[in-house]
Amino acid sequence: DADVTQTPRNRITKTGKRIMLECSQTKGHDRMYWYRQDPGLGLRLIYYSFDVKDINKGEISDGYSVSRQAQAKFSLSLESAIPNQTALYFCATGGGSGETQYFGPGTRLLVL
Amino acid sequence: QKEVEQDPGPLSVPEGAIVSLNCTYSNSAFQYFMWYRQYSRKGPELLMYTYSSGNKEDGRFTAQVDKSSKYISLFIRDSQPSDSATYLCAIWYGANNLFFGTGTRLTVIP
Repeated sequence: DADVTQTPRNRITKTGKRIMLECSQTKGHDRMYWYRQDPGLGLRLIYYSFDVKDINKGEISDGYSVSRQAQAKFSLSLESAIPNQTALYFCATGGGSGETQYFGPGTRLLVL
Repeated sequence: QKEVEQDPGPLSVPEGAIVSLNCTYSNSAFQYFMWYRQYSRKGPELLMYTYSSGNKEDGRFTAQVDKSSKYISLFIRDSQPSDSATYLCAIWYGANNLFFGTGTRLTVIP
């Protein structure tokens, strides 16, 4: 089984809808991250969490919120989706100092 | 100025060629230098990492770091069609300071 799983893998939604992307990991890592990937812009950090009680904003957190339900689970919510949130979203985990990260397979989101 | 700059390509080479992928960075405090490989419709996976200047080899792959020039490279020898992917450099200097390049798309033609 995959170490980092994301659900759903694909999602189409409409402007204004609230959606949640979920991430689970079996690596036992404390650190978890949410990124979005856009062509020509690379990976950009949305939120990160160093443990269950620690949540931090990343580079592009506006319009997003997160919840760390357990060490193994980290969810990303779009409170009111807009078309420019159409992107590929990745969850990642990190152990140790956090320099290496392990990515999930991604969620492809389309906001109409 | 971006923390990490990477030539986006795309790069297309014949099978068996030597491939050179490059990134430059701006902050001399950077400590760890990594290369990730991302196949289409997959998440990035760590390919190699190093923390010192010089070369590090792993099979057909060589990661090279030149801290004086703030320049890192990934060389792929005897490239194979299975190497076709997007390659992202990533550089870290503590806590949550991990920066990714935009990625270079590589195609190896049989």
